[in-house]
Amino acid sequence: DGGITQSPKYLFRKEGQNVTLSCEQNLNHDAMYWYRQDPGQGLRLIYYSQIVNDFQKGDIAEGYSVSREKKESFPLTVTSAQKNPTAFYLCASSPITGGANVLTFGAGSRLTVL
Amino acid sequence: RKEVEQDPGPFNVPEGATVAFNCTYSNSASQSFFWYRQDCRKEPKLLMSVYSSGNEDGRFTAQLNRASQYISLLIRDSKLSDSATYLCVVNSLRFGNEKLTFGTGTRLTIIP
Repeated sequence: DGGITQSPKYLFRKEGQNVTLSCEQNLNHDAMYWYRQDPGQGLRLIYYSQIVNDFQKGDIAEGYSVSREKKESFPLTVTSAQKNPTAFYLCASSPITGGANVLTFGAGSRLTVL
Repeated sequence: RKEVEQDPGPFNVPEGATVAFNCTYSNSASQSFFWYRQDCRKEPKLLMSVYSSGNEDGRFTAQLNRASQYISLLIRDSKLSDSATYLCVVNSLRFGNEKLTFGTGTRLTIIP
């Protein structure tokens, strides 16, 4: 079955450590996204990529980095520069079309910084 | 004013009742609209797109009112399994780029 796989599902890290969240999709979608979800807030876009080897900052990119070396993969690194990294991180993908932008989400990664 | 606003709820509704909630958006140039459903501690999943003419999918009806800049979701004959958070999503064109904006969600609990 096609879908998006995120790992790990739960991650605990000490303050000051970088962590990398994995996102892999087999939907043959061109576009991939990383969102962050906090209680009482809507999903906020961190980074997105529309094509291999290219990506753009979203609304809250500071303290994060990404790469897009393969169409299927879009890992997110949460660096020590991110001031409040504890959150639920969601990876998504969509086909590039001229119309509506329907997203398919992975199951999410819940990061807790101790 | 927030780009996309939803009443956070919670809406506690008895099983079998009809429930409706709205979502307002501020950008009059918004092009596409969606309702996503998110279960507790899970990922959002597309419930339905919202078309200008309104659309229905079983017990669910979505409407768009461009003049007043809101979309609505109506759930008829509510089931226990409808308990979830419903996210309003608006797609706007800004500076040549499409941007999806998510509402904070409306939490719905169906009571037996």
